[in-house]
Amino acid sequence: NAGVTQTPKFRVLKTGQSMTLLCAQDMNHEYMYWYRQDPGMGLRLIHYSVGEGTTAKGEVPDGYNVSRLKKQNFLLGLESAAPSQTSVYFCASKTKLAGVVQFFGPGTRLTVL
Amino acid sequence: KQEVTQIPAALSVPEGENLVLNCSFTDSAIYNLQWFRQDPGKGLTSLLLIQSSQREQTSGRLNASLDKSSGRSTLYIAASQPGDSATYLCAVRDSYDKVIFGPGTSLSVIP
Repeated sequence: NAGVTQTPKFRVLKTGQSMTLLCAQDMNHEYMYWYRQDPGMGLRLIHYSVGEGTTAKGEVPDGYNVSRLKKQNFLLGLESAAPSQTSVYFCASKTKLAGVVQFFGPGTRLTVL
Repeated sequence: KQEVTQIPAALSVPEGENLVLNCSFTDSAIYNLQWFRQDPGKGLTSLLLIQSSQREQTSGRLNASLDKSSGRSTLYIAASQPGDSATYLCAVRDSYDKVIFGPGTSLSVIP
């Protein structure tokens, strides 16, 4: 049982490049989330999904797209990376039951030059 | 709009001290509140979850309290140890099922 895994762990991009971050969970969770963490700002929700084939915008969705084609995977895409997207990205998942905790992945550190 | 703040931003204490971390939120209409621990370069680990109807939760040396009406939660750590050094974040879940995080308190416990 690996929990929540994220690929890659680190990445450096040039402005305008694109990339996809992969989140995978093996706990059969319905809900999955993508957050970004910036110094002094805590975690901010980018997009989330309440089930396979569904996605929704979070607090800071601009510049990102997501897809949830399989229940266990949640992909975060940057079509044209900008320096403002330099951050640490965390994926999380949870069951659809109310009042339960989220499980977090180890994070992806992305630098956009 | 719900906003979550944490004071202090950083805290350094000698080993063995009891300490309190504070979390404040602006909208008292929350569903629950969680305290997380984050080690450097790692993800978040849930420590305690307090439902809106509860006033406190305990796990080992950790005790979290919740006062919804005043928009406050505290995390009490007893007999601190160097292994407690980490960043502690609180997060509230609102009635729309969104989770809003505070910026965290960075704790250093000095041996």
